[in-house]
Amino acid sequence: EAQVTQNPRYLITVTGKKLTVTCSQNMNHEYMSWYRQDPGLGLRQIYYSMNVEVTDKGDVPEGYKVSRKEKRNFPLILESPSPNQTSLYFCASSLTPGVEQYFGPGTRLTVT
Amino acid sequence: AQSVTQLGSHVSVSEGALVLLRCNYSSSVPPYLFWYVQYPNQGLQLLLKYTTGATLVKGINGFEAEFKKSETSFHLTKPSAHMSDAAEYFCAVSESDSWGKLQFGAGTQVVVTP
Repeated sequence: EAQVTQNPRYLITVTGKKLTVTCSQNMNHEYMSWYRQDPGLGLRQIYYSMNVEVTDKGDVPEGYKVSRKEKRNFPLILESPSPNQTSLYFCASSLTPGVEQYFGPGTRLTVT
Repeated sequence: AQSVTQLGSHVSVSEGALVLLRCNYSSSVPPYLFWYVQYPNQGLQLLLKYTTGATLVKGINGFEAEFKKSETSFHLTKPSAHMSDAAEYFCAVSESDSWGKLQFGAGTQVVVTP
């Protein structure tokens, strides 16, 4: 089944404790992207990747890191999480930019 | 740089009535436009998209949208609402000179009443 998977689905952590949210797709898509969703703000793009080893900032990259060492994986790293990073995070992928993106189920992160 | 404005954060419609969700965008270059739907506790799925060509675009579940360049709009409609249409809807825009960046509107929550 074609899908985007994210782990973990739910995470509660404390300020400053490094964490990684994994994202994997099995559709051989070149393009992958991370978003955060907050009430009243819609989805805001954090980082995106056009292909392996090619990443770029979205609208809200501060406090986040990404890497794209393999085509299928695009982890999101929070080196020192803060409470304002409490949010619902989505990973998405598509064959190329500008076409339909396939979204993962989301990761709900709470930073206390 | 592109931006997206969705008019109305909440819309209530009666079952069987017209659904109209408004989206206006700003873009300095030809845009690609999308409507996504999010059902409770799920990710987003594509309803429809406009890239080039015909300005009236038909999507899944009976939805359609019309790209109006002169009005910089991409409003979403469905002639007859169904209870299963209750969800949050997002308009999004991508510009032809920065395909990687996708800008979403704030979303419109649709409630369908019997």
